[in-house]
Amino acid sequence: RKEVEQDPGPFNVPEGATVAFNCTYSNSASQSFFWYRQDCRKEPKLLMSVYSSGNEDGRFTAQLNRASQYISLLIRDSKLSDSATYLCVVNEGGSQGNLIFGKGTKLSVKP
Amino acid sequence: DAGITQSPRHKVTETGTPVTLRCHQTENHRYMYWYRQDPGHGLRLIHYSYGVKDTDKGEVSDGYSVSRSKTEDFLLTLESATSSQTSVYFCAITAQGRRTEAFFGQGTRLTVV
Repeated sequence: RKEVEQDPGPFNVPEGATVAFNCTYSNSASQSFFWYRQDCRKEPKLLMSVYSSGNEDGRFTAQLNRASQYISLLIRDSKLSDSATYLCVVNEGGSQGNLIFGKGTKLSVKP
Repeated sequence: DAGITQSPRHKVTETGTPVTLRCHQTENHRYMYWYRQDPGHGLRLIHYSYGVKDTDKGEVSDGYSVSRSKTEDFLLTLESATSSQTSVYFCAITAQGRRTEAFFGQGTRLTVV
């Protein structure tokens, strides 16, 4: 069974902290990778794509290690507004373009 | 935001009744998906579509059927609702291609009593 595994969480951190989320995937043929953010009782929204070379968007840095089948998300200088559940998502590609979701890691940033 | 809407947003229904959820997109994306989200399980794929009249089963398809007669609409039907189908249902769309992200509808909160 193809799976995406994430840290179970929850992560409770103070404002200004740096927090890292990890994710592993089982299908070595997976084509593309993403981190999504989901607020309570809302739909998931794309936070950032993850590229093999690593990529950064402001306080957020994502990295991919294809050899280890490992994805990470680093959040620096955490804000209260970062509190949410973070989902690791893998697109297996192919003709069906199937998406596989991790169960998510809940982050709570405290004052 | 991507043009994807779900209806209804909330529904309470009785066990044994049929229920149809609608997903409508204005992006002309090829792929459409129905997921359910439950505590402790994350998002699980029910059915998906890779074109008009082209659909396939996902991980948790039992008790559900789908139809896609037009590119923009993807319907999810619970033929005879059960309490185990109480959940939040999300529709998602992706464009064709290998590096495409998914966009989600706002979700439908379904309660079967």
